[in-house]
Amino acid sequence: KAGVTQTPRYLIKTRGQQVTLSCSPISGHRSVSWYQQTPGQGLQFLFEYFSETQRNKGNFPGRFSGRQFSNSRSEMNVSTLELGDSALYLCASSLALLTGPGSEYGYTFGSGTRLTVV
Amino acid sequence: KQEVTQIPAALSVPEGENLVLNCSFTDSAIYNLQWFRQDPGKGLTSLLLIQSSQREQTSGRLNASLDKSSGRSTLYIAASQPGDSATYLCAGRYSGGGADGLTFGKGTHLIIQP
Repeated sequence: KAGVTQTPRYLIKTRGQQVTLSCSPISGHRSVSWYQQTPGQGLQFLFEYFSETQRNKGNFPGRFSGRQFSNSRSEMNVSTLELGDSALYLCASSLALLTGPGSEYGYTFGSGTRLTVV
Repeated sequence: KQEVTQIPAALSVPEGENLVLNCSFTDSAIYNLQWFRQDPGKGLTSLLLIQSSQREQTSGRLNASLDKSSGRSTLYIAASQPGDSATYLCAGRYSGGGADGLTFGKGTHLIIQP
């Protein structure tokens, strides 16, 4: 079956611009989470969407936002880009909500979008 | 706030050796623990998932264990191969982890020398 698909794979943006990243989860998965990965901070949780609603949110500024559509596809938007936003952005899907039951369910990650802000 | 620590941060061993990667976590209220590998510049590939009610899981040459009482998990790799070279990450999922998501360790960078 198809895995988690993230587009685009690479992006170069200028400081101050905004960017939208896309994630298509595994068919049937209703939870989509986003993570930022940098060499210094490692993997940090941005937010999780489940059934089109943001259910959990990490400690990132409001410039980072997202949404989920009825087919579970999700987009993440970053406005007013800063140099420090350069990172690998990873999307993960799961059958279970992060803070809900279902210990047998893990997460499947996409290949990521490499964002470079210049 | 949950914390996950991985030791060692880096490891280099000759091909064919058996090796153990360690992961420790601070909160025993863990739903499950998942091991991933990440190749340079790529996404995460899931290796094994251990539920809180389980003690270990096996897949091929990989075996992962979970000891909630001591807050530790280990990933055992048998008969290592150069293709096993990657960064290995463990991640805990918690019932109260809404603000943290999956809690990841910093990873162990593994190099298998041919």
